Amino acid sequence: QSALIQPPSASGSLGQSITISCSGTNNDLGIYNYVSWYQSHPGKAPKLLIYEINKRPSGVPDRFSGSKSGNTASLTVSGLQADDEADYFCSSYAGYNNVIFGGGTKLTVL
Amino acid sequence: QVQLQESGPGLVKPSETLSLTCAVSGYSISSGYYWGWIRQPPGKGLEWIGSISYSGDAYYNPSLKGRVTISRDTSKNQFSLKMNSVTATDTAVYFCARRDSGNYFIDYWGQGTLVTVSS
Repeated sequence: QSALIQPPSASGSLGQSITISCSGTNNDLGIYNYVSWYQSHPGKAPKLLIYEINKRPSGVPDRFSGSKSGNTASLTVSGLQADDEADYFCSSYAGYNNVIFGGGTKLTVL
Repeated sequence: QVQLQESGPGLVKPSETLSLTCAVSGYSISSGYYWGWIRQPPGKGLEWIGSISYSGDAYYNPSLKGRVTISRDTSKNQFSLKMNSVTATDTAVYFCARRDSGNYFIDYWGQGTLVTVSS
């Protein structure tokens, strides 16, 4: 099982939008719609932002949205805020009760 | 509110066994969901280690299968990870987590605990 591919870093200015990509294969992200995204601040437990490609748990602002096309999923953060500066991880079901993750993207808010 | 808390030694010697426990509060681990372990080596991404279902069935990452055992103690509402024959590459922050049964997302995470493998 190979990890999903994410850009190591991304940046955007306050109020702008940023999109983070997550690339997989036809064995994982490409055939399953169980894609989720997590936000991780240093020293804190990761937080679920998106599940099943584009669904938001209760309490997650609609500034966070997800999508998928083929073997690539994307997370868009609109109206960037200072607190959005964090690491973002994608994950996908990979069959046989296993989950794989992306390498993570460090988002910097300028 | 569901809470998960990892505990265990922060330092393990090479070739020995890493043992961690995750104490769960706010939900019974035998009522539903899958209960899993994830790790993150320094400067690297997350890796799914494995999980145990609410009914006690365990599933492991194929790349780690053979070295890992996940078990549970329903009387204490906790589950555990044992990883044998550790090397320096097993140095990581280890998280325990609750995973949705059918949709494979993780809705609750522990804070994580750093385990260093070193002599």
